[in-house]
Amino acid sequence: DAGVIQSPRHEVTEMGQEVTLRCKPISGHDYLFWYRQTMMRGLELLIYFNNNVPIDDSGMPEDRFSAKMPNASFSTLKIQPSEPRDSAVYFCASSLAGLGSNQPQHFGDGTRLSIL
Amino acid sequence: KQEVTQIPAALSVPEGENLVLNCSFTDSAIYNLQWFRQDPGKGLTSLLLIQSSQREQTSGRLNASLDKSSGRSTLYIAASQPGDSATYLCAVYNQGGKLIFGQGTELSVKP
Repeated sequence: DAGVIQSPRHEVTEMGQEVTLRCKPISGHDYLFWYRQTMMRGLELLIYFNNNVPIDDSGMPEDRFSAKMPNASFSTLKIQPSEPRDSAVYFCASSLAGLGSNQPQHFGDGTRLSIL
Repeated sequence: KQEVTQIPAALSVPEGENLVLNCSFTDSAIYNLQWFRQDPGKGLTSLLLIQSSQREQTSGRLNASLDKSSGRSTLYIAASQPGDSATYLCAVYNQGGKLIFGQGTELSVKP
């Protein structure tokens, strides 16, 4: 089992640029989650999908952020335009079932994003 | 608004000690509570998940308890080892549909 795969592992770019983060969930997992982790705010759930459909995007900070899941094996989180305050580690996770279940989430190793 | 607090923020113990990490939450209307481990530069690993109807879960040297009425959970680690060194986070999924994480406890186990 390859686990949740995220790319890139590190991204450094200048403010105003578009940033695209990628995630491949574990095969067979119907739920996919995007998180952001910063020192100031800790770990925050941004959005999650069930069967490729966005279920709750209330954690997405603003309209500059968007997420898609075109198929069961791929999701993207896009920031356009990026700002220095978007600098954080972004995690993707997948699970067999939803947040209220007894199924654990499996996390990728994250993308460390730095906006200059 | 649900708030999750973890105490202490950091803990250093000698190898072999038993230890307790604490997590408290302000809203007892929860579906479940999870304990995670995070190693530097890595994502989270789920350790134990306690449903709201349960009082504890055990896995190996780890035991997590849940007292919903008082808004508290503890993670007990028996016979700690240097390999247990990591940051431990608790997260609560409440009935308002929100998943809230604590800030974590950074544990260091010295050989």
